[in-house]
Amino acid sequence: GDSVTQMEGPVTLSEEACLTINCTYTATGYPSLFWYVQYPGEGLQLLLKATKADDKGSNKGFEATYRKETTSFHLEKGSVQVSDSAVYFCALLSGGYQKVTFGTGTKLQVIP
Amino acid sequence: SQTIHQWPATLVQPVGSPLSLECTVEGTSNPNLYWYRQAAGRGLQLLFYSVGIGQISSEVPQNLSASRPQDRQFILSSKKLLLSDSGFYLCAWTLERDYGYTFGSGTRLTVV
Repeated sequence: GDSVTQMEGPVTLSEEACLTINCTYTATGYPSLFWYVQYPGEGLQLLLKATKADDKGSNKGFEATYRKETTSFHLEKGSVQVSDSAVYFCALLSGGYQKVTFGTGTKLQVIP
Repeated sequence: SQTIHQWPATLVQPVGSPLSLECTVEGTSNPNLYWYRQAAGRGLQLLFYSVGIGQISSEVPQNLSASRPQDRQFILSSKKLLLSDSGFYLCAWTLERDYGYTFGSGTRLTVV
């Protein structure tokens, strides 16, 4: 079945450091890929998405590129802020009924 | 604009008691609706989804059930809660492929 593998956290970075959170997937066909963010005590928010190979999703300074050859969708940001501290979930959509498979989440902590 | 409401925000229930969590969507018609559970330190597990009134699909056999009595209302229930039912329950909706999910703010359930 479909699956998403994310790098284990927590990830602790200093403010203005570069961020990469690795995500790889296994799916049949051509899935759409997403990153969601969950701030403490809240639900998940869609951060960015890519629907076909080589697409780049971007939002709020975050970027991720859909790499079909490596089945990856790594999340990157050039300079993180304290306000980026949250849990980040990689996810894919494949097949009918728009069911989404999520990774286990990576907690990011940014310290001043 | 579309909004999703989920309540209550927190709930503490004794083992063996019943459960009813409600989710409603505004500003759209015929959405696909989903219930996810996020256990402490773990990823999101899809519990139920619905593509229309009265249509419920279960992903994980357990003592929970779901109902969709109206187009934009999705209810998660249990007749007798177990300790293992504790977690963060999230309702989500989407309209079509690649749209991405919109999540509610979640209900933190603690079974004691």
